[in-house]
Amino acid sequence: GAVVSQHPSRVICKSGTSVKIECRSLDFQATTMFWYRQFPKKSLMLMATSNEGSKATYEQGVEKDKFLINHASLTLSTLTVTSAHPEDSSFYICSATERLAGRETQYFGPGTRLLVL
Amino acid sequence: DQQVKQNSPSLSVQEGRISILNCDYTNSMFDYFLWYKKYPAEGPTFLISISSIKDKNEDGRFTVFLNKSAKHLSLHIVPSQPGDSAVYFCAASDNSGNEKLTFGTGTRLTIIP
Repeated sequence: GAVVSQHPSRVICKSGTSVKIECRSLDFQATTMFWYRQFPKKSLMLMATSNEGSKATYEQGVEKDKFLINHASLTLSTLTVTSAHPEDSSFYICSATERLAGRETQYFGPGTRLLVL
Repeated sequence: DQQVKQNSPSLSVQEGRISILNCDYTNSMFDYFLWYKKYPAEGPTFLISISSIKDKNEDGRFTVFLNKSAKHLSLHIVPSQPGDSAVYFCAASDNSGNEKLTFGTGTRLTIIP
């Protein structure tokens, strides 16, 4: 299947700093990427839809000024957690869609563990 | 409102036997369903999908069955192997074109050697 990478895999930062997470589709072009957050023992929560060349679409309750998304190219989307606080500590996962058998299938990155001290 | 439900949070199956994971949905607009497997601290891995025009799709040890009238799908893994121990999520999308997935809450499958 298609490969999606994320960088970094783990980051520890001080409260108040900003953290950038990169998501790349390695062997296909993705006009749409998604950013998820997973809390311990919970399902994946969609944060936003990242569209190449246009503004991201945020889910209800997700602060767009807090979680900045930039989809600069067909293979790269970035999520920046601005002025991170301990409650932002979580596991962030991106996905990119590839058309498969006539429908889009989402392939996920390996995730980024963020710990804000 | 949980539109995709996995009512069994956990399931234990003997190695070599069949594992059956269930998923129910409420949104009749869903027409494409996927199963993902997830290990701790990793992103989900795509396993298998099924379109609503089909009632069965098979790929190796994995078979997904769809019962549209009951709004129910299931994933069968046979024979189950220790490496299958993971959390399994079913997901659904509609044909609105926004490609969003709605996930179930997951079922933790443990294969007993």
